[in-house]
Amino acid sequence: GAGVSQSPSNKVTEKGKDVELRCDPISGHTALYWYRQSLGQGLEFLIYFQGNSAPDKSGLPSDRFSAERTGGSVSTLTIQRTQQEDSAVYLCASRPNDRNSPLHFGNGTRLTVT
Amino acid sequence: GNSVTQMEGPVTLSEEAFLTINCTYTATGYPSLFWYVQYPGEGLQLLLKATKADDKGSNKGFEATYRKETTSFHLEKGSVQVSDSAVYFCALSAPRGGFKTIFGAGTRLFVKA
Repeated sequence: GAGVSQSPSNKVTEKGKDVELRCDPISGHTALYWYRQSLGQGLEFLIYFQGNSAPDKSGLPSDRFSAERTGGSVSTLTIQRTQQEDSAVYLCASRPNDRNSPLHFGNGTRLTVT
Repeated sequence: GNSVTQMEGPVTLSEEAFLTINCTYTATGYPSLFWYVQYPGEGLQLLLKATKADDKGSNKGFEATYRKETTSFHLEKGSVQVSDSAVYFCALSAPRGGFKTIFGAGTRLFVKA
């Protein structure tokens, strides 16, 4: 039953290491989003995939961040050479190809860079 | 570009008080509008939505009316409960940008018994 699944749920890494965060959207959902939520803050848009269109990467904060979506399903967000300011909860959400449908969110990956 | 502005928090109310959280938007075309809620320790979930002008979304005693003339989608509840303590996010999905969903900054609500 499937909701949006994210893994790992928690990740602690050392500054300078690379990390990969995974998102399994709801089957059949064509739109997939990544957001970042820092402690006590709002949702910062990172990247948006819609079907076969080129992704909207306008929210990626630096070239250390990248994301891909394979086969229109699973997505991976990669952060290279992590910095302490990357510490946050990374949220994935998916939606059907219907502008009136709401986003379905995963529980997030809490990333801590030490 | 498209944007959402919502009132800053935190908002602190006593139980049974009336709640209004203001939300205004800027968008080209006719956006769909949403309120999401994040309860402590939980994930974001949809609270209510409205997809065209003058529609009223409602759920769990919360209401919001899509006002195109004032580009607003204010969230209201007549009598809040302690269990309503959460962070509330206003959001839109608009044609420009391929219906990308844009969120406001969120408003934290504390309800005291």
